[in-house]
Amino acid sequence: KNEVEQSPQNLTAQEGEFITINCSYSVGISALHWLQQHPGGGIVSLFMLSSGKKKHGRLIATINIQEKHSSLHITASHPRDSAVYICAVRSPGNQFYFGTGTSLTVIP
Amino acid sequence: KAGVTQTPRYLIKTRGQQVTLSCSPISGHRSVSWYQQTPGQGLQFLFEYFSETQRNKGNFPGRFSGRQFSNSRSEMNVSTLELGDSALYLCASSLGASGGGNTIYFGEGSWLTVV
Repeated sequence: KNEVEQSPQNLTAQEGEFITINCSYSVGISALHWLQQHPGGGIVSLFMLSSGKKKHGRLIATINIQEKHSSLHITASHPRDSAVYICAVRSPGNQFYFGTGTSLTVIP
Repeated sequence: KAGVTQTPRYLIKTRGQQVTLSCSPISGHRSVSWYQQTPGQGLQFLFEYFSETQRNKGNFPGRFSGRQFSNSRSEMNVSTLELGDSALYLCASSLGASGGGNTIYFGEGSWLTVV
């Protein structure tokens, strides 16, 4: 069983749609990260959360520590948002666990 | 401000050989971590260094090793390469030690192919 589960695995949306990607984890965490990976490999850290909610532009990330669940929302999606989104958690023992990623395609 | 720089970007090695990958963190960053990404296993944590000390290590065999220098630059080495070691190897740096509220910044990665 994976320590971090993401859903959906693949997601296709029309430009302008509201998108939600979910992440559930089974380990205790000190922080949860949302990462974005574009074709070619480069990874960008979008958010780091240990509680509550963060917003950056059209992106919103929330975490519920009691339910061990986090969501990444994209409002007014755009084709440039097309990428793989990866949820990662850092345990108190400083181990990193990764979800398998959600491949998002936004169609113009 | 330059980002995280990894070299080489692409390399091909033969089974049984060894390889050394290099990572230069963002100036001022003292923590460097390494990850392996494959289509089958996804992203996996290899190890993390802070101030030249390995702070934690993922579940990889001893063929995978690393070190960090006094200028925070880091290298990872894989000995006795196997076909399954073909992967994208990513390095990331952060300002302080892991576990703190530090954003991590990734390099573009080194694509290793073992033939």
